[in-house]
Amino acid sequence: DAKTTQPPSMDCAEGRAANLPCNHSTISGNEYVYWYRQIHSQGPQYIIHGLKNNETNEMASLIITEDRKSSTLILPHATLRDTAVYYCIVRVNNDYKLSFGAGTTVTVRA
Amino acid sequence: EPEVTQTPSHQVTQMGQEVILRCVPISNHLYFYWYRQILGQKVEFLVSFYNNEISEKSEIFDDQFSVERPDGSNFTLKIRSTKLEDSAMYFCASSVADYGYTFGSGTRLTVV
Repeated sequence: DAKTTQPPSMDCAEGRAANLPCNHSTISGNEYVYWYRQIHSQGPQYIIHGLKNNETNEMASLIITEDRKSSTLILPHATLRDTAVYYCIVRVNNDYKLSFGAGTTVTVRA
Repeated sequence: EPEVTQTPSHQVTQMGQEVILRCVPISNHLYFYWYRQILGQKVEFLVSFYNNEISEKSEIFDDQFSVERPDGSNFTLKIRSTKLEDSAMYFCASSVADYGYTFGSGTRLTVV
């Protein structure tokens, strides 16, 4: 009963922007889009979240389509340390749990 | 940057034994969580804890599991009688509100 669909893997060249897509066609009006990543079996790391406006922080940018059925996480200048599994999660803010899917395994190559 | 600290990093236990996994959440955080990840599988929610009580738990979190915040700083997960299938990475997390979790680096539990 996954709420999001992500490609299983993608490669990216070091120094280039990495654009990670996520489909969430059944998203509800009160559900936020969250992105986390997990580097080599470490604990997941929060990246960014948004409701409908595009968001940017020091790690990444989040672009959400106007119909909110899909989004893209942008890592502006990927480094080797960005190699990780990236998870797109939809969640209402009063729902305590995060439901992780399989994510996208991103490999940044020199 | 504040961290969630988990101890031990690796625990080996015999089947049927009790284990306690320990976590020190970030000091001003109010929400606490346990997740687990069986090798090669997804990260799974176990339980959330707020205001000194369980706020939500998953089907995995059966009577064999319990959580406690014994003092103002620690948050523990107890598994009463471990089974082989309890072998996994266990992640503690905390948050100041109900979003923007910070996860610890995990405890690898191996049941033999």
